[in-house]
Amino acid sequence: GDSVTQMEGPVTLSEEAFLTINCTYTATGYPSLFWYVQYPGEGLQLLLKATKADDKGSNKGFEATYRKETTSFHLEKGSVQVSDSAVYFCALHLRGDNNDMRFGAGTRLTVKP
Amino acid sequence: GAGVSQSPSNKVTEKGKDVELRCDPISGHTALYWYRQSLGQGLEFLIYFQGNSAPDKSGLPSDRFSAERTGGSVSTLTIQRTQQEDSAVYLCASSFQGPQWSGETQYFGPGTRLLVL
Repeated sequence: GDSVTQMEGPVTLSEEAFLTINCTYTATGYPSLFWYVQYPGEGLQLLLKATKADDKGSNKGFEATYRKETTSFHLEKGSVQVSDSAVYFCALHLRGDNNDMRFGAGTRLTVKP
Repeated sequence: GAGVSQSPSNKVTEKGKDVELRCDPISGHTALYWYRQSLGQGLEFLIYFQGNSAPDKSGLPSDRFSAERTGGSVSTLTIQRTQQEDSAVYLCASSFQGPQWSGETQYFGPGTRLLVL
């Protein structure tokens, strides 16, 4: 079935370090891909998305490129800040009869000053 | 408010009791989703509504779980005879569900944290 596998955490980085959180997917069709973020004490919110191959989603300095050939959607940021500390979820949405979102297990990121 | 709201925000109950969780989606959103987030786990899809109908109930963990949506708006998730393993954060999300497939964004509520003693 459709699924998402993302890098296990937790990840701890120093401020201004480079971040990569890996995400790969398995899908029978052509999904849209998402990164959601959950800041401490807050609800899930969309960080970025890409709806077709080679699209790049970007927001708040984060980027992810939809790679069909490697079925990946890795999240990157060139210089993380303490305020980026959160749990990051990779997800796919394959619209069909079910229309549900498949989420990865989440990766907890802690950025230290 | 403009966002998805859920109530209660926290619920502590005794094993064997029934609980009812409520979700108010964003006005105008026709699709509504329920998820469960257990400690240290990812999000587990439970059920999805398109309007008042639920095309897919396959994610409900057992027959103790049920959900309904009336008037195409508010939804309630009911757990009967709660068990300790039901303890989790229950998240609701809604989306507009436009006619074209566009990788819709789901907007999440803050969740209801359920603890079954």
